[in-house]
Amino acid sequence: AQKITQTQPGMFVQEKEAVTLDCTYDTSDQSYGLFWYKQPSSGEMIFLIYQGSYDEQNATEGRYSLNFQKARKSANLVISASQLGDSAMYFCATANAGGTSYGKLTFGQGTILTVHP
Amino acid sequence: DAGVTQSPTHLIKTRGQQVTLRCSPISGHKSVSWYQQVLGQGPQFIFQYYEKEERGRGNFPDRFSARQFPNYSSELNVNALLLGDSALYLCASSPRGSYGYTFGSGTRLTVV
Repeated sequence: AQKITQTQPGMFVQEKEAVTLDCTYDTSDQSYGLFWYKQPSSGEMIFLIYQGSYDEQNATEGRYSLNFQKARKSANLVISASQLGDSAMYFCATANAGGTSYGKLTFGQGTILTVHP
Repeated sequence: DAGVTQSPTHLIKTRGQQVTLRCSPISGHKSVSWYQQVLGQGPQFIFQYYEKEERGRGNFPDRFSARQFPNYSSELNVNALLLGDSALYLCASSPRGSYGYTFGSGTRLTVV
C-alpha cells in the first residue's frame, strides 16, 4: 500500500519569493514515481514535475524543483519566484511501476497555496 | 491537439438514480483512469483501463463500473446514487497506462 502525507493545509507566500510545499510518502515498492500536480479552482489537475525513485538528480521544471530525499521518504516541491497565478491547490502523488496497481496514482490531501502581491 | 475532454461538466442527480460520465482521451493515448475527488480531499483512484481491459480497480463498491471503447474513450457508470457520491470525477489518459498522465477538467456531480 502507498500513502502520501501533506502536513500543510495552507501556505502563504509573497509574490516573487520562494516557497516549499512538504510531502512525505510511504511505499513498500522498490521502483516508484513521485508527482506534483496543481489544481486551480477550475478543477483540472495540471502536471508539474516528476521524480523517479532511481533518479539520482533532483528533478527541475522551470520554476519548479523537487527536493527528493529518499532515505527520509520526502519529496518536497520548491516553487521559486512565486507568481499570483501560482495560487491553487497542490497535490503530491505517487505511483508504483509494476503489479496490478501499475499506473494508479495515490494522492495526498493537498496544500492550498496563496500568493500575496 | 485537444486535451482530455470530459462530459458533462456539471450535473445534478437524485438519490437512487444512475449516471454516466464520459471521457475522451488525448489522441494516441490508450489508457484511461478515473478518480473521485470529494470536496477538500485528494483524488481517489476508481478504475484504470488499458487497451479496453480493466487493469486496476480502487476500493469502490460494485455500484461503480466502467468500460473503454475501441476508440479508447471511456464511460464511468454509477448506479443507485448516494449523497456521498457527490464529488468531482476526474479522468486521466496516458499513452500506455504508465506515467505521463494528463487529466481532464472533470465532471462535477451533485446528488440531492
